[in-house]
Amino acid sequence: QVQLQESGPGLVKPSETLSLTCTVSGGSISGYYWSWIRQPPGKGLEWIGYIYYRGSTHYSPSLKSRVTISVDTSKNQFSLKLSSVTAADTAVYYCARVGYDSSGYYTYLDYWGQGTLVSVSP
Amino acid sequence: QSALTQPPSVSGSPGQSVTISCTGTSSDVGNYNRVSWYQQPPGTAPKLLIYEVTNRPSGVPDRFSGSKSGNTASLTISGLQAEDEADYYCSSYTSSSTLIFGGGTKLTVL
Repeated sequence: QVQLQESGPGLVKPSETLSLTCTVSGGSISGYYWSWIRQPPGKGLEWIGYIYYRGSTHYSPSLKSRVTISVDTSKNQFSLKLSSVTAADTAVYYCARVGYDSSGYYTYLDYWGQGTLVSVSP
Repeated sequence: QSALTQPPSVSGSPGQSVTISCTGTSSDVGNYNRVSWYQQPPGTAPKLLIYEVTNRPSGVPDRFSGSKSGNTASLTISGLQAEDEADYYCSSYTSSSTLIFGGGTKLTVL
């Protein structure tokens, strides 16, 4: 059973960079895309981006200028960096595995971490 | 890209059926059979319910079913149970090779 666990600081100052890591256990990071999603308190889900285990990435157009997702296959981990954060970036951040459909496209999120709350405050 | 459109809330009594709609555009829902649905009870992480419009992962009851017509996908929950009370989100693959979520629908079991 694949399990994902987010880790990183729970408090980040405005204008600084938010950094989170997702550790994958119970399976290899190879062969899949891996994604970050966030959810502001009391609001809906927002897709941030995903990375293939070989390193190719796709990002949400609204966050693309501030987001970097990277992968470390030797540690079975992938990471998120979000720069120049403001209070609007306060959210629960989830990592998830992207499953592939019958056409071989990676299109749905089949395993999720429990999420980690990151607050942006001075 | 704008979020997919879902009704903010739906409700139903135990045993009834409810349907949640998810409207997108020809750049996402309308162009691909790559719509998925997620269930999120309060205080928990989302859980995959449906993928590729109609497919259920193992362990998801067949009371949950998906469909699509044009730019609108739908999730139907039949034989409503108290444990179904949760937020539900749709998602679609897009022509930009990204994913996009709907705004979410709160299901209340009366």
